Amino acid sequence: GAVVSQHPSRVICKSGTSVKIECRSLDFQATTMFWYRQFPKKSLMLMATSNEGSKATYEQGVEKDKFLINHASLTLSTLTVTSAHPEDSSFYICSAPRTGSGELFFGEGSRLTVL
Amino acid sequence: GIQVEQSPPDLILQEGANSTLRCNFSDSVNNLQWFHQNPWGQLINLFYIPSGTKQNGRLSATTVATERYSLLYISSSQTTDSGVYFCAVDEGSSGSRLTFGEGTQLTVNP
Repeated sequence: GAVVSQHPSRVICKSGTSVKIECRSLDFQATTMFWYRQFPKKSLMLMATSNEGSKATYEQGVEKDKFLINHASLTLSTLTVTSAHPEDSSFYICSAPRTGSGELFFGEGSRLTVL
Repeated sequence: GIQVEQSPPDLILQEGANSTLRCNFSDSVNNLQWFHQNPWGQLINLFYIPSGTKQNGRLSATTVATERYSLLYISSSQTTDSGVYFCAVDEGSSGSRLTFGEGTQLTVNP
């Protein structure tokens, strides 16, 4: 089946630093990828849609300058949390639709802890 | 935007029991998926089922698109079935911009 991989799975950083999370589609190309955020015991919330070759589309209330998204190639999207603060601590998950299908596949997720 | 409601929010079963999880949605959809989130956070695809019925081993799902609901059946539950089950839908043309329900927390006791 389709595989989406995320890295790193866990990251701890100090307040004020930036953290980059990578999302790769391993066996298919993805012109579009999606980034979600999940708080403990909560559901997934769509943050933004990453578009290869163009700007990302952000959901209402998501700060585009805080969460920088770059879709560098047909298999790679990155999320950079800039000037991280403790309230940015969360579980971030990326996803991509398999080519020719609307079925969405998710990466393993990245747990960010900001001290 | 589209609303997704899942029930029950919590479910506790004894191993071997059967269960039905429900997902109601507020508008027509082009995509509906069921996921199982394991204790490490990974979302496992269970079904891609915008309409109709599918079965995979002990699990099956039915979506009645005209009545805007989907059901996930788990038979002969096992402790490894524990976790959170999410229903997610997309009303758009691409079918990929998913809106998630709040999930059902399933605990299967030995």
